[in-house]
Order: sequence, then C-alpha cells, then structure tokens
Amino acid sequence: ETGVTQSPTHLIKTRGQQVTLRCSSQSGHNTVSWYQQALGQGPQFIFQYYREEENGRGNFPPRFSGLQFPNYSSELNVNALELDDSALYLCASSQEPTNTEAFFGQGTRLTVV
Amino acid sequence: QKEVEQDPGPLSVPEGAIVSLNCTYSNSAFQYFMWYRQYSRKGPELLMYTYSSGNKEDGRFTAQVDKSSKYISLFIRDSQPSDSATYLCALKTGANNLFFGTGTRLTVIP
Repeated sequence: ETGVTQSPTHLIKTRGQQVTLRCSSQSGHNTVSWYQQALGQGPQFIFQYYREEENGRGNFPPRFSGLQFPNYSSELNVNALELDDSALYLCASSQEPTNTEAFFGQGTRLTVV
Repeated sequence: QKEVEQDPGPLSVPEGAIVSLNCTYSNSAFQYFMWYRQYSRKGPELLMYTYSSGNKEDGRFTAQVDKSSKYISLFIRDSQPSDSATYLCALKTGANNLFFGTGTRLTVIP
C-alpha cells in the first residue's frame, strides 16, 4: 500500500450533476496530482497542487477544479458532468512537485449516466 | 501524434518466459523514464525509474533507455503469473507532470 487514500471508491452520477472526489496524500508529501484514466487508456494529467496552490494544469476545461488543504489532502471537483467524464480518477502524491517518485491511490471509479 | 506510444497488446506468455515491453516517444525534453504496474481495479504502482540513457536492473526487472532512438523498454525475466497486469510507461520532463503510454496488458500463463 502506498499510503495514498481516495474516496469514494465508486460513484454513479447523472449527466449535468457535480461531483467531489477526495484524496489523502502520503505522510510527508506536500504535492498532489490528479489524473483521469479512461478505459483502456493511460492516465492523463488534470492538474497538480503544491502548498495549497495550483501548480500546473493539463488540457482539461475549467469545470474541472481542485483544492488542497493545509494538511495537504486534496479535492477534485467536476461540474456539469458529461458522459465522457466516466473514468478512473487517480490521485498521486509526491514529496515535491518535480519529484520523480509519485505514489498513486487506488482511484475513484466515476460513472456518468 | 501522441507524446508517448505504447503497444496496448494484449500480450500472453508462458510462465518463465522473458517479457519485453516497449514505448517510443517524440519529445526530446523527456529526462525521466518510469514503469508502472497496474493490477485490475487498482492504482498504478511504481516499478522502476531511470534518468538518461542506459540500463537499470532490479531483481527480475530491467529498464532500458535509448534516448538517441527515443525508445524505452522493460524486460521481465522468469515471468510469473503474479506479473499479470497492465504495464504503463511514464515519462517526465523537468516539470511536474507525467506523460503515460496507453499501457500493455500482460498475461502470464501457468
């Protein structure tokens, strides 16, 4: 186990709804990155949070937003859900933003119907 | 063209075989090269990472990087049924995010 925990593990939402996913980073890690993994694809970078500030963003629309808290845990929020948002959402924590070793949680499986 | 190309397989081998997994990439700015293993319904687990060209060995696993050809490989010796998983290559510049391949699904048959 990596020490990175995500909740919930599974979620079903209706198109147009909003969802919040949560991640607790590994002890001693101040950086959290979020990835989206569609079925049969590799993870795609959504954004990274470092010391409570967004520190880089991938090619995702503004309806994907996030937060990082003083204890370095993080949330991913998605508004106006679309069917294509159905995927495994992964959180990865690392000691520093450029640190090579990133440790992933087990993911949250989101299904949009 | 994707930043990182990886044959999705699936790849099936008998137990004890040597497995070769490969990725190619187009961006010469990539400096760090990683391999992750992902079991079904789990998050990716970091297996190995290398910096610059050359080989790195860890037990039954060997990672190889050829920056001149923009080609990276992972070799698994004496493959075991427990090695059955999806293997993802991931590349990184000096910045903060990873670029993943599609993943190759491997099945080791007892």
